[in-house]
Amino acid sequence: GEEVAQTPKHLVRGEGQKAKLYCAPIKGHSYVFWYQQVLKNEFKFLISFQNENVFDETGMPKERFSAKCLPNSPCSLEIQATKLEDSAVYFCASSLPVGQGDIQYFGAGTRLSVL
Amino acid sequence: AQSVTQPDIHITVSEGASLELRCNYSYGATPYLFWYVQSPGQGLQLLLKYFSGDTLVQGIKGFEAEFKRSQSSFNLRKPSVHWSDAAEYFCAIIMEYGNKLVFGAGTILRVKS
Repeated sequence: GEEVAQTPKHLVRGEGQKAKLYCAPIKGHSYVFWYQQVLKNEFKFLISFQNENVFDETGMPKERFSAKCLPNSPCSLEIQATKLEDSAVYFCASSLPVGQGDIQYFGAGTRLSVL
Repeated sequence: AQSVTQPDIHITVSEGASLELRCNYSYGATPYLFWYVQSPGQGLQLLLKYFSGDTLVQGIKGFEAEFKRSQSSFNLRKPSVHWSDAAEYFCAIIMEYGNKLVFGAGTILRVKS
């Protein structure tokens, strides 16, 4: 597709429940990034992929967060046992392969509300 | 550590007035520089970018930005603001291609009529 598609738009979970978010990058883009935007509107980097391989996971709280980008499937970000502080908007972005552009295009985000 | 500073949390300008949003970065070399805009409840839209070359770059919606290496700055400007420009503006950098964006804290622009 011509835009980054994120689903669902809004997700409500009780504390301790699992949450799974999806991202379909722009066709032909080989990099995928996940960011978390918290209440103060600050963006925190979580993880990035180059195709199906993890490129940078320095921002991931590994004990509860996991992510995948498998061939021919949307990328996913999963939070096991959600906590109140996980409430945020999660953005996915994608970009072209090296040498073809350096711009990250963002999806509309998934708002996760943990109650 | 690399960082981006947007010193103004809120700015209010009158419609038709000029605008300058400040951005400074901390990095040992020249990064790739970006300005994004976010309207309430929306994702991020790229306004403009600087990779190399001419230090004055033009973007969409009448915005421009100037890279000043000596000041580690990349300030965003618009000569005449429209009410529809009210939004939050984020300055961001990438150190190397494929790397994560490092964002500033954002500047909320209010436009008064």
